[in-house]
Amino acid sequence: GENVEQHPSTLSVQEGDSAVIKCTYSDSASNYFPWYKQELGKRPQLIIDIRSNVGEKKDQRIAVTLNKTAKHFSLHITETQPEDSAVYFCAARFTGGGNKLTFGTGTQLKVEL
Amino acid sequence: DSGVTQTPKHLITATGQRVTLRCSPRSGDLSVYWYQQSLDQGLQFLIQYYNGEERAKGNILERFSAQQFPDLHSELNLSSLELGDSALYFCASSSGTGRSDTQYFGPGTRLTVL
Repeated sequence: GENVEQHPSTLSVQEGDSAVIKCTYSDSASNYFPWYKQELGKRPQLIIDIRSNVGEKKDQRIAVTLNKTAKHFSLHITETQPEDSAVYFCAARFTGGGNKLTFGTGTQLKVEL
Repeated sequence: DSGVTQTPKHLITATGQRVTLRCSPRSGDLSVYWYQQSLDQGLQFLIQYYNGEERAKGNILERFSAQQFPDLHSELNLSSLELGDSALYFCASSSGTGRSDTQYFGPGTRLTVL
């Protein structure tokens, strides 16, 4: 079935360090992988996404890598800042049946001063 | 601001009642998606509509139903409410066409069932 696993569930880093969150997906035909950031009580906000024909994408301090063979993708945040503290969700779009996203269970990132 | 609007922001009701949540997509978007987020849980896909037609269905309970109107706004109806239905309900919209089909989320409706 359609499944996305996300690790770790919580991540604590010191300000200025890097943070890495990893996700694996079950359907090798998946073609779109967004990452969302959600602050407490607020809506999920898209921070970066990657499509299956690309191996890596970068936007300032944020990067996403995709390994289609291993069916996993990762979010990398460099030079972390306190405002990066939030819950991060990965997602995958599985082929067949609309455009729905299946989300991972989330990673609570805490950036400590 | 994503351009997706949802009303009401908060809703408190009793078990057994019925409520309607409303979503207006971003201008030009044809697809609307509904997600449920329970406390400390991830986002669970409920249902998708595209230009008025149901396109995909997730683990949506039979007590829940949705529709998309000609003006493209959507409503999610929750009936015979149970305590476990308390959650944040998000609507998202996308263009619904092509490969650039990013989903943008609304601010959510927090439902509390007492």
